[in-house]
Amino acid sequence: ETVMTQSPATLSVSPGERAILSCRASQFISSNLAWYQQKPGLAPRLLIYDASTRATGIPARFSGSGAGTEFTLTISSLQSEDFAVYYCQQYNNWPSLTFGGGTKVEIK
Amino acid sequence: QVQLMQSGAEVKTPGASVKVSCKASGYTFPSYGIAWVRQAPGQGLEWMGWISAYVANTKEAQKFQGRVIMTTDTSTSTAYMELRSLRSDDTAVYYCARWTGKPFFDLWGRGTLVTVSS
Repeated sequence: ETVMTQSPATLSVSPGERAILSCRASQFISSNLAWYQQKPGLAPRLLIYDASTRATGIPARFSGSGAGTEFTLTISSLQSEDFAVYYCQQYNNWPSLTFGGGTKVEIK
Repeated sequence: QVQLMQSGAEVKTPGASVKVSCKASGYTFPSYGIAWVRQAPGQGLEWMGWISAYVANTKEAQKFQGRVIMTTDTSTSTAYMELRSLRSDDTAVYYCARWTGKPFFDLWGRGTLVTVSS
């Protein structure tokens, strides 16, 4: 099983600042990575797929990068609605799909 | 409106089964698959399995093989997930999610809380 490790577990950021979230795969996954945002009590929302492609309707302040085993989600200027938990998910090793443990982005 | 509507919360005793439904609307149901993902209280996301809405092929995560049954009813655009032999650690919110063709999920239901308790 491909283990996905996200860091940090919690990220404290002030509104307007940039947030950088990391996701590491235990083995090579090419660019087969998605990012989701989840707010309390709500379902996850797809942000990024194929490591760097924004999903429909996702603002340009969200960007994804990386390939192989190291990936990054960057939020260029945090808005109040961006404070949430973010998960990465690999889909290279179908049918084994795995999620990272999540990074909580909180207000500093 | 494109959405997935899930059935309501359930409370089950250990050893029982639960069946969660997920009704799709606003898009062509057979054109996409449906995945099931669960989230235990305060925990992360766990993929359970996938079903093709068109040909009803399924693939389960190894952890759930033999215990989960996924079906679809194309006449009502509804997917179902049945989990058997429930244990207390099956307590979680169960989500259905639309599968785009690649194994990531662009549309999610609101989730169904399943509580397993004696």
